[in-house]
Order: sequence, then structure tokens, then C-alpha cells
Amino acid sequence: DTGVSQNPRHKITKRGQNVTFRCDPISEHNRLYWYRQTLGQGPEFLTYFQNEAQLEKSRLLSDRFSAERPKGSFSTLEIQRTEQGDSAMYLCASSPSTGLSNQPQHFGDGTRLSIL
Amino acid sequence: AQKITQTQPGMFVQEKEAVTLDCTYDTSDPSYGLFWYKQPSSGEMIFLIYQGSYDQQNATEGRYSLNFQKARKSANLVISASQLGDSAMYFCAMREGPGDSSYKLIFGSGTRLLVRP
Repeated sequence: DTGVSQNPRHKITKRGQNVTFRCDPISEHNRLYWYRQTLGQGPEFLTYFQNEAQLEKSRLLSDRFSAERPKGSFSTLEIQRTEQGDSAMYLCASSPSTGLSNQPQHFGDGTRLSIL
Repeated sequence: AQKITQTQPGMFVQEKEAVTLDCTYDTSDPSYGLFWYKQPSSGEMIFLIYQGSYDQQNATEGRYSLNFQKARKSANLVISASQLGDSAMYFCAMREGPGDSSYKLIFGSGTRLLVRP
């Protein structure tokens, strides 16, 4: 179990540029989640995949955001035409489908995005 | 209305003493789960402990325990024998619905704990 891996750890870009983040979940986990965390706040849910299917998207995920999980393994989150308000920590989490209520989500270290 | 409320932005505790971090929640769903996570400065969210809405006993995991008061809708985290490495942000989170049918965790705004030597 190598844990959830996110790349890059930090991304600094100019406003208006596109950025893409990658998340590699724990290998046997078929559920994958993206959250956004701004300074001083708890994470907020963005989107969820079960295998390759994106089953839920938060209203926080504007049209500039797109997430994929093409083969049900790793996932990418792309932000187009970045804005100052996109500056945040983007967290990825994964979990297996156990049907158990006590099943936690396992988080990666996150990608910190800074928009200049 | 906020679903998860953590009213303590910051807390101090002396090393080796116990500390309680408060969490209140709001839901109309009879089935729900409450999770506590620790987030060190490195950023990773580390799962600590879970309490289910139908659990009869308070959850315990090593030095962590939950003071679950269902009628008050509170699920306070108790850390016993604090260590310097416990200094971090602590988040309370809720998942509504039975089993793991609901995938979304709803987080509070967190409490920053500083352990003094």
C-alpha cells in the first residue's frame, strides 16, 4: 500500500493559463474523489468517480474544470483559464467500495496551486 | 446552515495532558458517520477515528476517543497524553446515508492544535 499519490505538489502559474493535476489512488480502490481546500477552511467536495464513471460533480466545479479517470485507475483534474480564486490546495482521495459505513477516504498530500 | 461546526479555531495544550476538540453537526438523516482527520503542515489528511450514528459505544483508537452525544449532535475528539507530534489541524467530517452509499464527506473548518513542551 503506497498511499494516494498526487503530482505535482506545488504549481505556480499565471492567471489565464491551463493547469493539470494528477492523482494515483491506492491500487485496489475503485472510488476516487477530488476536494478543494482554501486557506483556513476544510476541504470541499468537487467530484467523485466510481471506476471510470464520474458520478457526481459539485456546483463548485465550473465549466473551466474537468476531471477524468480514463481507465478507472489514475485521475486528472484540469483547470482552464485559471483565475485568482482558483488558488487552493487540491486534494485527491480514494476508497474501496466495501458497503461499510466506517470506510474512510484515504487522502493524498495534495497539490497546492498558486495563481500569480 | 453549516452541517459541521468546529467552534475552536485554535487550541493550546501542554504536552502529556488531554485535550478535547469540539464538533457539532446537523443532519436529518438517521444514518450517518462521523470522521476525524488530522492534517499536519505537510498537507496530507490522516484518518484518525470513526463514529457511526447507530454505534452504542463511543469509539476509541489508541490515544484518540470520541465523546459522542447523539441527542446534542456532538462528536468531540479527545486526545489523551498529548505529544508534540499532535500539533496539526484537526477536521471533523460527516457522511450522510447508510453504509458507504454516500461518497461525499462534509468537513468543518478545523481546529489548529498546538502542543506546548
